[in-house]
Amino acid sequence: DGGITQSPKYLFRKEGQNVTLSCEQNLNHDAMYWYRQDPGQGLRLIYYSQIVNDFQKGDIAEGYSVSREKKESFPLTVTSAQKNPTAFYLCASSMDSGTGNTEAFFGQGTRLTVV
Amino acid sequence: QKEVEQNSGPLSVPEGAIASLNCTYSDRVSQSFFWYRQYSGKSPELIMSIYSNGDKEDGRFTAQLNKASQYVSLLIRDSQPSDSATYLCALNPGTGRRALTFGSGTRLQVQP
Repeated sequence: DGGITQSPKYLFRKEGQNVTLSCEQNLNHDAMYWYRQDPGQGLRLIYYSQIVNDFQKGDIAEGYSVSREKKESFPLTVTSAQKNPTAFYLCASSMDSGTGNTEAFFGQGTRLTVV
Repeated sequence: QKEVEQNSGPLSVPEGAIASLNCTYSDRVSQSFFWYRQYSGKSPELIMSIYSNGDKEDGRFTAQLNKASQYVSLLIRDSQPSDSATYLCALNPGTGRRALTFGSGTRLQVQP
């Protein structure tokens, strides 16, 4: 089955810990994205990548880091510098033919809680 | 001003009625627009995309785009209780960042 897989589904982080959220896609999409969603709010862009070995900051990149070593994978690390990391994290991908007129498809999300 | 504005709702409609969801945006050069449906606790699911002025129909869903008025809407005909969800409007900015910008969503409740 083609799709976007995020793992784990639930993640608990202790204060001061770094944690890494996994995102893998087998859709052969060029572009991948990370969004954060807080209760009752829309999605806010953390990082995005249009091509392997390149990525750009979104609106709320502070306290997060990413890598894009393979086309299929775009892991997100939530560092201890992120002071309020409890949220629903969503990974997405799109073909991004360069026109901008492409749809983004989402994984099932990772719910991160600080304990 | 937010880039994408939506009324948070809830919008309550009776089963079988037409639900009308609205979205305005501030960036005049935006070219592509999307509607996502998100059930509680789940990830967003793409239901419609629209790129040109006018209407686009897909089953019970119709997306309407008016670039002059910077307005995009989603009509759901014959609303069903299973349509109860939050509907997110998104756009791809015409310049600069090549990633979707989302509104905060409108919660729709379809009453049986």
